[in-house]
Amino acid sequence: EPEVTQTPSHQVTQMGQEVILRCVPISNHLYFYWYRQILGQKVEFLVSFYNNEISEKSEIFDDQFSVERPDGSNFTLKIRSTKLEDSAMYFCASRNGPGGYTFGSGTRLTVV
Amino acid sequence: AQSVTQPDIHITVSEGASLELRCNYSYGATPYLFWYVQSPGQGLQLLLKYFSGDTLVQGIKGFEAEFKRSQSSFNLRKPSVHWSDAAEYFCAVGLQAAGNKLTFGGGTRVLVKP
Repeated sequence: EPEVTQTPSHQVTQMGQEVILRCVPISNHLYFYWYRQILGQKVEFLVSFYNNEISEKSEIFDDQFSVERPDGSNFTLKIRSTKLEDSAMYFCASRNGPGGYTFGSGTRLTVV
Repeated sequence: AQSVTQPDIHITVSEGASLELRCNYSYGATPYLFWYVQSPGQGLQLLLKYFSGDTLVQGIKGFEAEFKRSQSSFNLRKPSVHWSDAAEYFCAVGLQAAGNKLTFGGGTRVLVKP
């Protein structure tokens, strides 16, 4: 069964550093998403991406965040200057139709 | 505003007993409905989904869910739980009009007693 692949599985970074979280969506999917889950809390929507542009973003997705699909296969989330409160599990997801969501296994980001 | 509520934060159930997890939503139209399961430190695994049609949906691992429009609910059930069902369960909803982003409930943590 096709999978959404996320790397790395765990990343530790110092506050103020830039991080890039990587995702390889399912190849024939057209819609891409990032969600995050702060430890012990619910999963929150960050951003959706379609046709090479952001289609929707949440209030969490401020100027420190950006997304990119650099080469037609990868989908990245960049946090420009990490803060302690950015520590969370970040999930990438992709879909083709109205349902059909597939989530990756997540990247646990720890900001120290 | 759209919202998803899972009223039970924790549920403890004995192995072999039945399980029901509640999910209520507040949306302007009938959304697409999902249940996901998450084991500690792991990703989100789709258990089942409802788009339209038969309101009783069968999923993986012996789970089923029933959509009740009149109650704005999508409760998850399993007739007989196994110790491996101990995990956190998330209800999620999505609307085509909203770019189909998912809104998640707060989750229900299920503990299984031997």
